[in-house]
Amino acid sequence: NAGVMQNPRHLVRRRGQEARLRCSPMKGHSHVYWYRQLPEEGLKFMVYLQKENIIDESGMPKERFSAEFPKEGPSILRIQQVVRGDSAAYFCASSRGQGRNSPLHFGNGTRLTVT
Amino acid sequence: GESVGLHLPTLSVQEGDNSIINCAYSNSASDYFIWYKQESGKGPQFIIDIRSNMDKRQGQRVTVLLNKTVKHLSLQIAATQPGDSAVYFCAENEDSNSGYALNFGKGTSLLVTP
Repeated sequence: NAGVMQNPRHLVRRRGQEARLRCSPMKGHSHVYWYRQLPEEGLKFMVYLQKENIIDESGMPKERFSAEFPKEGPSILRIQQVVRGDSAAYFCASSRGQGRNSPLHFGNGTRLTVT
Repeated sequence: GESVGLHLPTLSVQEGDNSIINCAYSNSASDYFIWYKQESGKGPQFIIDIRSNMDKRQGQRVTVLLNKTVKHLSLQIAATQPGDSAVYFCAENEDSNSGYALNFGKGTSLLVTP
């Protein structure tokens, strides 16, 4: 029973390039969340998606960041024109339902380094 | 407790001893709390949760205590093992309609020595 799968595990981009991070939720889970973790910090909520819908993007930076969860395929977090401050670990989580009785299961993250 | 500096607070315990990891929160409206364990290179792993209508909850080798008066949360690990070495985060949420939007603390690094 595979958990939340994220790829790539490590991603290096030069300033100005685009970064695309992928997340496949656990089997049977239709709710996907993206969190960001800066070095020696706790995780910060970014966005919550269901299939083809963004439910809550209150934690997303207003520019350069976007997320999608298409009908087919993984969820994608896209960062355009990356800057050094985007260097962080990006974690995806999924859940079966939305409420507190549906705990979040996290993937092992994608570590983005911007040079 | 939570760190405001650049370095994680570290708790070092001997194998077999009990560990207590503390967390302070500031939001009086928070009514749901979770402890996560994060091993190096991995994502957070759910340990135990507690709602604000309780002050204690026990799991396997772990106990969470909640003191709403002083806004303090603790995680107790009994008979700590080397596999318990990790960073531990407390997370809180105030809105059951958005229970997924967790606010994580900065974490405490637990080091278990043989």
